[in-house]
Amino acid sequence: NAGVTQTPKFQVLKTGQSMTLQCAQDMNHNSMYWYRQDPGMGLRLIYYSASEGTTDKGEVPNGYNVSRLNKREFSLRLESAAPSQTSVYFCASSPRDRAREQYFGPGTRLTVT
Amino acid sequence: KNQVEQSPQSLIILEGKNCTLQCNYTVSPFSNLRWYKQDTGRGPVSLTIMTFSENTKSNGRYTATLDADTKQSSLHITASQLSDSASYICVVSVTYGNKLVFGAGTILRVKS
Repeated sequence: NAGVTQTPKFQVLKTGQSMTLQCAQDMNHNSMYWYRQDPGMGLRLIYYSASEGTTDKGEVPNGYNVSRLNKREFSLRLESAAPSQTSVYFCASSPRDRAREQYFGPGTRLTVT
Repeated sequence: KNQVEQSPQSLIILEGKNCTLQCNYTVSPFSNLRWYKQDTGRGPVSLTIMTFSENTKSNGRYTATLDADTKQSSLHITASQLSDSASYICVVSVTYGNKLVFGAGTILRVKS
């Protein structure tokens, strides 16, 4: 059981470039989440998917899009990266809703120059 | 406004000593409170989850307490080890709206 996996682990982008962060879970969880973590701040929810086929905005969705490709995979896309999107991105999953235990991936450290 | 405040921001202790981390929250209505451990360069890992009716919960050398009346929680680490060096994050679940509020974390460093 790998749990939650994320690729890539590190990425450097130039302003205006696009990229997709990949996330997959093998725990048969219904719900998946994307967070960003910035120094001195708590994790903030970008988007989440309560179940396959649904996605909803979190606290800080601007500049991002997501795709719930199937039950296992949930991707996060930056269409036109900005320096303000420099952060560590975590994917998480849970059996059902956010009140349940969430399991986090190892994170992607993104730098936008 | 729903907020979670953690103190101290950072802490250095000697190996073998005990320490207590604090979490105050203004989240309402409250569903549950969790403590996560986040090692450097890794994702958070759950230590404990407590509902409003639970006062204390242990996980090995980690003991979390909750006072729902004063909206305070603490995480006590007994006989610290070098491997306890990490960030400890307090997270509160809001009953309605299915929302989690994360604290900024306390960075603990255990020295030999």
